[in-house]
Amino acid sequence: DAGVTQSPTHLIKTRGQQVTLRCSPKSGHDTVSWYQQALGQGPQFIFQYYEEEERQRGNFPDRFSGHQFPNYSSELNVNALLLGDSALYLCASSLGGKNTGELFFGEGSRLTVL
Amino acid sequence: AQSVTQLDSQVPVFEEAPVELRCNYSSSVSVYLFWYVQYPNQGLQLLLKYLSGSTLVKGINGFEAEFNKSQTSFHLRKPSVHISDTAEYFCAVIPPYGGATNKLIFGTGTLLAVQP
Repeated sequence: DAGVTQSPTHLIKTRGQQVTLRCSPKSGHDTVSWYQQALGQGPQFIFQYYEEEERQRGNFPDRFSGHQFPNYSSELNVNALLLGDSALYLCASSLGGKNTGELFFGEGSRLTVL
Repeated sequence: AQSVTQLDSQVPVFEEAPVELRCNYSSSVSVYLFWYVQYPNQGLQLLLKYLSGSTLVKGINGFEAEFNKSQTSFHLRKPSVHISDTAEYFCAVIPPYGGATNKLIFGTGTLLAVQP
């Protein structure tokens, strides 16, 4: 049973560029959440997708957008990259409908903005 | 709004010694509490959780945590650590209201560095 998979694992971009990160949830999970983890910090909630819609959003600008596909996989898009967007981006999957706190995380995509 | 404070950024400890990682939360309402572990170059993994019931909860790898409502704390403990326990540990909360979205609010993390 495959867990949460993310791609790419590492990438380097320059300021002003756009990036797309991808996530496949754990089998049987229907909800995908995205977190940003800056160096030395805890993960910060970006947004969550459930039934192909953004269900909740954290304190991130509109440059951060996402999408969920019918097979529950998800994309995170960041436009007009800033140096401060350099971070580890984590995808987490869960079952919608309950606040169990049991999220399954991928290994992350490490984004470096130069 | 909820927030989580992990007072220690790094905790060095010798192998087979006991350890306690501290976590305090700030909330005007009841919350659900969690500890996650992040091994080097890996994603986060759930160690244990407190939703309700007994205030002492046991998790994987011999870890346990105690919920103390009066002190708004949820400290993580292990009686004897191993080299393999070296990792970053994150305390997190979820407010039990506001929809079942599993939105976790994390602390800044504590690096447990186990030395031989």
